[in-house]
Amino acid sequence: GEDVEQSLFLSVREGDSSVINCTYTDSSSTYLYWYKQEPGAGLQLLTYIFSNMDMKQDQRLTVLLNKKDKHLSLRIADTQTGDSAIYFCAESNNAGNMLTFGGGTRLMVKP
Amino acid sequence: DTGVSQDPRHKITKRGQNVTFRCDPISEHNRLYWYRQTLGQGPEFLTYFQNEAQLEKSRLLSNRFSAERPKGSFSTLEIQRTEQGDSAMYLCASSRDRAYGYTFGSGTRLTVV
Repeated sequence: GEDVEQSLFLSVREGDSSVINCTYTDSSSTYLYWYKQEPGAGLQLLTYIFSNMDMKQDQRLTVLLNKKDKHLSLRIADTQTGDSAIYFCAESNNAGNMLTFGGGTRLMVKP
Repeated sequence: DTGVSQDPRHKITKRGQNVTFRCDPISEHNRLYWYRQTLGQGPEFLTYFQNEAQLEKSRLLSNRFSAERPKGSFSTLEIQRTEQGDSAMYLCASSRDRAYGYTFGSGTRLTVV
């Protein structure tokens, strides 16, 4: 079955880079996503990567995918206090009709 | 494009009562999903519609949960005979194509007392 795991917490200083890691188990996943959730709000799609890609960059965000190790990471460059939130990685099943989420990583950015 | 709308934002109900939540997806999205999120956890998939057809419902938590999307536009999620364990955030999402990810609404927070 599907299982997605993330570390619970990450603390960084403003201006530093943040790296949030995720491991997944479903080798047939075709798309992997990163979502951001601020307190009391829904989930905001940050970026996604197709499984035949190794890397995707989108402004301050860089996604790295190691398909062999089933490891996904999100790097946020020049982290700002407004980046403080919970970050979820998610994998799509092969049919594309269901996402399995990790438990989320709470990012705290200190000024 | 006003995003995915969910109503109500908050619902407090007594144990044993029935509740119904509504979701209005982005108009050009034919796929609609319901998820449940409990405190400190990631969202958990419940069910999926493509247009008006409910194509996946095996993950609905019990037979007290049901969902409809009668005309392929808005959807409702009903929980009958609510229990305290049903207290959670219920999230709706819609998509056009999975390559673009899902757009989530702000959710309905249910508290069962």
